[in-house]
Amino acid sequence: ILNVEQSPQSLHVQEGDSTNFTCSFPSSNFYALHWYRWETAKSPEALFVMTLNGDEKKKGRISATLNTKEGYSYLYIKGSQPEDSATYLCASFNQAGTALIFGKGTTLSVSS
Amino acid sequence: EAQVTQNPRYLITVTGKKLTVTCSQNMNHEYMSWYRQDPGLGLRQIYYSMNVEVTDKGDVPEGYKVSRKEKRNFPLILESPSPNQTSLYFCASTGQGAVGYTFGSGTRLTVV
Repeated sequence: ILNVEQSPQSLHVQEGDSTNFTCSFPSSNFYALHWYRWETAKSPEALFVMTLNGDEKKKGRISATLNTKEGYSYLYIKGSQPEDSATYLCASFNQAGTALIFGKGTTLSVSS
Repeated sequence: EAQVTQNPRYLITVTGKKLTVTCSQNMNHEYMSWYRQDPGLGLRQIYYSMNVEVTDKGDVPEGYKVSRKEKRNFPLILESPSPNQTSLYFCASTGQGAVGYTFGSGTRLTVV
């Protein structure tokens, strides 16, 4: 079973702080890397799908980078706001490209 | 509105009583999948389907069945539910041109 690891497990920051999380995945047979945002009592929503080494994607104050050679991705949030409080999941495909394997997530809490 | 619809949202049942959780998507997606979410374990894949009449086991398929007779529907069947199947279940779909998976709103199942 492919292991997707995320760190830290949880994080608490003050409003206005910038923060980042890490996702690591096996670099062999890489297919794609997904990031999702999961708010309490809702379902996960896709943020980014990344496929190319060196790829960088941005959506408002949230951005992500990808290093497929060393098997990691960073998610950055600039100027955190309370509405950014959520669990952020990353996921990578298995070697066959048929199943998306999720990490356990990083839970972000932003205080005002 | 493009969406994945799961029913029911909440279900309490007794051990051994067969149940079905329905999942339907209106985006003409080829790929559909079922996940369960348990505390500390993250999202784990139960079954997936690449297209009509094509299904395959995920990481935790024991005690579950699925079918894909039509493209839009992918029901999850528990023939004889047991307490260790108490969990939060998500259906998800994706297809050509989609950015990541679209998740249903989840089904919280309790087996007593």
